[in-house]
Amino acid sequence: GQQVMQIPQYQHVQEGEDFTTYCNSSTTLSNIQWYKQRPGGHPVFLIQLVKSGEVKKQKRLTFQFGEAKKNSSLHITATQTTDVGTYFCAGLLYNFNKFYFGSGTKLNVKP
Amino acid sequence: DVKVTQSSRYLVKRTGEKVFLECVQDMDHENMFWYRQDPGLGLRLIYFSYDVKMKEKGDIPEGYSVSREKKERFSLILESASTNQTSMYLCASGGPRDTRLLQYFGPGTRLLVL
Repeated sequence: GQQVMQIPQYQHVQEGEDFTTYCNSSTTLSNIQWYKQRPGGHPVFLIQLVKSGEVKKQKRLTFQFGEAKKNSSLHITATQTTDVGTYFCAGLLYNFNKFYFGSGTKLNVKP
Repeated sequence: DVKVTQSSRYLVKRTGEKVFLECVQDMDHENMFWYRQDPGLGLRLIYFSYDVKMKEKGDIPEGYSVSREKKERFSLILESASTNQTSMYLCASGGPRDTRLLQYFGPGTRLLVL
């Protein structure tokens, strides 16, 4: 079964609205990465979170790693049309030396 | 500027053909990966390599093999292509240890098997 679950699968928002995607693992993660894939493009690395409870910001993007290191979220404030794309998380399972990508959240922003 | 290149952007092959997909990275990375991406299924790991001539199976290795003769080059081989291998294939490279998930992706090869 899928080790890293990501929700929602799709999100349609009006420009200016906020957006959040969530990743959940049944197993503790060593770290988690977030990627963005524009339509027709390839995934591009955004950020890595390592510490329990870590919060990182990149302009309008806020990334959080849960206290138990089993979940993570990406929040975009006041979306813009340039935010359109699919956002993936990828988690490295603690002590298993295996990693999994979430299935991605496809964001569409209406102008 | 870091770069991962893939030999073809689009490829059309017939069932039963042997298919080679090549990937080259210029970052001197130890780790290289091959994924396939299908709608609704996200990125699924086929194989990865953590050193020259070393390889590990990913989650869906059946029907595929790989070759890493040089550090910068990682090839994916479909021994006998089948229609269910029609997909987008993405190559990536990553650094050592905990930076290996800090991956740089190539542009992808969209393969159609008829």
